[in-house]
Amino acid sequence: DAKTTQPPSMDCAEGRAANLPCNHSTISGNEYVYWYRQIHSQGPQYIIHGLKNNETNEMASLIITEDRKSSTLILPHATLRDTAVYYCIDSNYQLIWGAGTKLIIKP
Amino acid sequence: DAGITQSPRHKVTETGTPVTLRCHQTENHRYMYWYRQDPGHGLRLIHYSYGVKDTDKGEVSDGYSVSRSKTEDFLLTLESATSSQTSVYFCATGQGPPGEQFFGPGTRLTVL
Repeated sequence: DAKTTQPPSMDCAEGRAANLPCNHSTISGNEYVYWYRQIHSQGPQYIIHGLKNNETNEMASLIITEDRKSSTLILPHATLRDTAVYYCIDSNYQLIWGAGTKLIIKP
Repeated sequence: DAGITQSPRHKVTETGTPVTLRCHQTENHRYMYWYRQDPGHGLRLIHYSYGVKDTDKGEVSDGYSVSRSKTEDFLLTLESATSSQTSVYFCATGQGPPGEQFFGPGTRLTVL
């Protein structure tokens, strides 16, 4: 079973920042936080990962709280193409996937 | 993007028949993975490989076997397909944790 907790769905207006929360209540010290997304029925796509520090790449920013019990994925300027299911995972080896958050970007 | 192909992309078969799915990569990644995804669920790991001829079970390995005789190919075999194995199967590759995994386009398998 998945170790993380995410809301099942969220809406965001196009052009606005999308903030996707995740709870990592049982995360251990050597486990990384990963975010992936899956657009329609395609294969999942890696977005970002981190251990303790906040991370940013060309796709998104990852904010991890100091106690590491929660994280937030930020898509700074959401577009319609960002409509997808977003998965957060904490792991130091195998990835255990939950049901994710279905993010719908509205025009 | 990593060059990952899966074949076949779609397959319909009957209960009790053997089925082999193939994953091919051109990225020379050490690790390869087989997942299944059922409606409304996240992915579940079936088997993975951490090198040629080195494989291990995932969380849902019963009824499946794998083989990796060369770096670029990872085969998933259903020795005797059952209706419960109807699913979408994804292959992934990577250099190993904690790095990212790259996913193939998926194979939709229907067992009648």
